Amino acid sequence: GAGVSQSPSNKVTEKGKDVELRCDPISGHTALYWYRQRLGQGLEFLIYFQGNSAPDKSGLPSDRFSAERTGESVSTLTIQRTQQEDSAVYLCASSLAPRETQYFGPGTRLLVL
Amino acid sequence: AQKVTQAQTEISVVEKEDVTLDCVYETRDTTYYLFWYKQPPSGELVFLIRRNSFDEQNEISGRYSWNFQKSTSSFNFTITASQVVDSAVYFCALSGASGGSYIPTFGRGTSLIVHP
Repeated sequence: GAGVSQSPSNKVTEKGKDVELRCDPISGHTALYWYRQRLGQGLEFLIYFQGNSAPDKSGLPSDRFSAERTGESVSTLTIQRTQQEDSAVYLCASSLAPRETQYFGPGTRLLVL
Repeated sequence: AQKVTQAQTEISVVEKEDVTLDCVYETRDTTYYLFWYKQPPSGELVFLIRRNSFDEQNEISGRYSWNFQKSTSSFNFTITASQVVDSAVYFCALSGASGGSYIPTFGRGTSLIVHP
């Protein structure tokens, strides 16, 4: 079956612009996670959704970052007024239920010039 | 609090060598899951295995094997007769099975380089 998909695969933007990153989880997966991975680094948790609710937003680095999920499916991560330090790969993962195995998408590589 | 330590930052081997990637964890949960993921140069994390804390049986899948030792809080991963295609960053992760945080804890990863 289809895995987790993310779009765009690559995004180059200018400092100060807003960007939207999209994640389509595996159908039926109730839990959805966003992570950030800087070059050569590990995974940095950003936000977790259960259904359309986000019980844990503790990893969002600033109020420039927000995310939503609709229809217990697609999620969008929005970064406003991008900064160069936002450059990273943004990974989305979904799981059938919380604490179950997470399946990752291919990521969106964001470059802020 | 949970913690996953992958002390080996980078390992370099020659093809056909066996290699073991270490993973040591800390948790107060009595039941938990342990995971290994592979991140090849393409960037997508690929799920390899999940182990329930109740099940201490070692597992073998082809050239891959996992050694779970609850007594030493370790979940090590061995690749037998390594191949160039095994070159990747490998992440170990821990998730509580009940109560506590829903967010898994990932180690910092071990970069494996297999030379031809």
